Amino acid sequence: DAGVIQSPRHEVTEMGQEVTLRCKPISGHDYLFWYRQTMMRGLELLIYFNNNVPIDDSGMPEDRFSAKMPNASFSTLKIQPSEPRDSAVYFCASSLAGQGRTYGYTFGSGTRLTVV
Amino acid sequence: AQSVTQLDSQVPVFEEAPVELRCNYSSSVSVYLFWYVQYPNQGLQLLLKYLSGSTLVKGINGFEAEFNKSQTSFHLRKPSVHISDTAEYFCAVTLSGGGADGLTFGKGTHLIIQP
Repeated sequence: DAGVIQSPRHEVTEMGQEVTLRCKPISGHDYLFWYRQTMMRGLELLIYFNNNVPIDDSGMPEDRFSAKMPNASFSTLKIQPSEPRDSAVYFCASSLAGQGRTYGYTFGSGTRLTVV
Repeated sequence: AQSVTQLDSQVPVFEEAPVELRCNYSSSVSVYLFWYVQYPNQGLQLLLKYLSGSTLVKGINGFEAEFNKSQTSFHLRKPSVHISDTAEYFCAVTLSGGGADGLTFGKGTHLIIQP
């Protein structure tokens, strides 16, 4: 099992540009989570999906952030336009319902976003 | 809503000494508890979890944690640490039951192993 795969690993972009982060969950997992990690705020849940449907997006900071899950094997987190305060590490995690809390949530290696 | 407090932002300890990383949670309903470790520039790796049953939970790399419902704590311990244990440790909580909700994390504790 390749685990949760995120791309790119690093992204440097200029303020005002659109940024798209990508995530491939573990095959068979039906929950997908997006987290943001910063020094000031720690790890924050942004949004999560169940069977490709967004369940809770209350953690999405602003309308500039949007997330999609067009199918069970792919999700994107988009920031448009990006701002320097969006600089953070963005993690994707996946889980299997019912067993999700038995085996924990599997995290990807993260995307380090720097907006200059 | 649930919350997690990790009482120490940084814990220095000498190699081969025991260590305890403290975690307290707040919730009005039953929860599941987790400890994750994050090595520099890497993702989060599950160390151990408490779902139900025995309150003493053993995890990977020689770590263990004890769930104390009356004190709402889930402290992480290791009897003898190694240089390779230097990392950031996160305590996390989620609601118990079916389905899967997102994890709520503490701010993390940086474990520093001194030779």
